[in-house]
Amino acid sequence: GAVVSQHPSWVICKSGTSVKIECRSLDFQATTMFWYRQFPKQSLMLMATSNEGSKATYEQGVEKDKFLINHASLTLSTLTVTSAHPEDSSFYICSADRTGSGETQYFGPGTRLLVL
Amino acid sequence: GENVEQHPSTLSVQEGDSAVIKCTYSDSASNYFPWYKQELGKRPQLIIDIRSNVGEKKDQRIAVTLNKTAKHFSLHITETQPEDSAVYFCAATRGGGYQKVTFGTGTKLQVIP
Repeated sequence: GAVVSQHPSWVICKSGTSVKIECRSLDFQATTMFWYRQFPKQSLMLMATSNEGSKATYEQGVEKDKFLINHASLTLSTLTVTSAHPEDSSFYICSADRTGSGETQYFGPGTRLLVL
Repeated sequence: GENVEQHPSTLSVQEGDSAVIKCTYSDSASNYFPWYKQELGKRPQLIIDIRSNVGEKKDQRIAVTLNKTAKHFSLHITETQPEDSAVYFCAATRGGGYQKVTFGTGTKLQVIP
């Protein structure tokens, strides 16, 4: 099956710093990738849709200046959490739409962020 | 936008029994309904899916049913095994043109040996 990787798998940072998370589609090109946030024992909350070559589409309530998304190539999308605070601590997962059908989502392994 | 509700939030069954998880959706234009299994600390994995032109789909011990009129769909796991223990998410999407997927709230399934 299709492979999506994320890096880093976990990160601990100090409050006020910025953290960049990478999402890569390893064996296919993805015009669209999605970024989710998952709190413990909760569902996947879509944060934004990352579109290659254009601006990301953010969900209501997600601060675009806080969570910067860059989809610079067909295999890479990055999420940067700027000026991180303890409440940003969470599990961040990306997914990629392999076929463009809007159906087949392949998830990355996730990045656990802890902000001290 | 789409709203997906999922029940129950937790489910405990004895090994060998069946488990049923139910979801409802609000957007009548949704036409693709995947189910994901997520083990602790791992990524969600697609286990089965169904499209709106099909009422039922089965894959070994797993089956999914869809009632378009009532806008609900269900996951059925038969002969449950301890390795089925995980969190299961239903989802709905319109599909096509990189449409976003809306997830249910998840069901934690525990299979007791």
